[in-house]
Amino acid sequence: GAVVSQHPSRVICKSGTSVKIECRSLDFQATTMFWYRQFPKQSLMLMATSNEGSKATYEQGVEKDKFLINHASLTLSTLTVTSAHPEDSSFYICSARDIEGNSYEQYFGPGTRLTVT
Amino acid sequence: GQNIDQPTEMTATEGAIVQINCTYQTSGFNGLFWYQQHAGEAPTFLSYNVLDGLEEKGRFSSFLSRSKGYSYLLLKELQMKDSASYLCAAVDSNYQLIWGAGTKLIIKP
Repeated sequence: GAVVSQHPSRVICKSGTSVKIECRSLDFQATTMFWYRQFPKQSLMLMATSNEGSKATYEQGVEKDKFLINHASLTLSTLTVTSAHPEDSSFYICSARDIEGNSYEQYFGPGTRLTVT
Repeated sequence: GQNIDQPTEMTATEGAIVQINCTYQTSGFNGLFWYQQHAGEAPTFLSYNVLDGLEEKGRFSSFLSRSKGYSYLLLKELQMKDSASYLCAAVDSNYQLIWGAGTKLIIKP
């Protein structure tokens, strides 16, 4: 149980284009999903917390107009990287917290590797 | 401020035991997680401690001392596949995970 999927797993896009990444909780409902970014050999950096039906809460330094987050249902959150630049190339990972869970464990998706050329 | 400290890198020998330490300073505390992350993959859950003491799960054990703001992950009978980064994360008063930078564990034959 507690499976989280992400799509796509890898994407290459040209500079200036937009890319959408989907995060789905497959066998549980998640009121809260989290989006992380991880650069090579560095730890996870929380970008934003996404709550179903409301606006996402962005961490300091993360541009909300550049990284659009939509949490339209209890099983789906999307991250759109708008006007992508090479410096946005990174490993993007989502996680979800079970609505009925009694712990604060986050279940992670497999990640999306974005390369902007 | 909130802070999680863990060693950057550790090396151990196959079949041996290794202890990875983590100290934390958070506004409020609602438990501590350990995750394993292999290169290029997402983190996977190892353990969650909210009460003081040692919790054993197979070859892996995790210890917590709330009064000392300290935890460790103990890995026994090390295998080559245990080569990975180990992430410590504390749950603060807002129930957010505060992540450490991770400890890269290198296992040598």
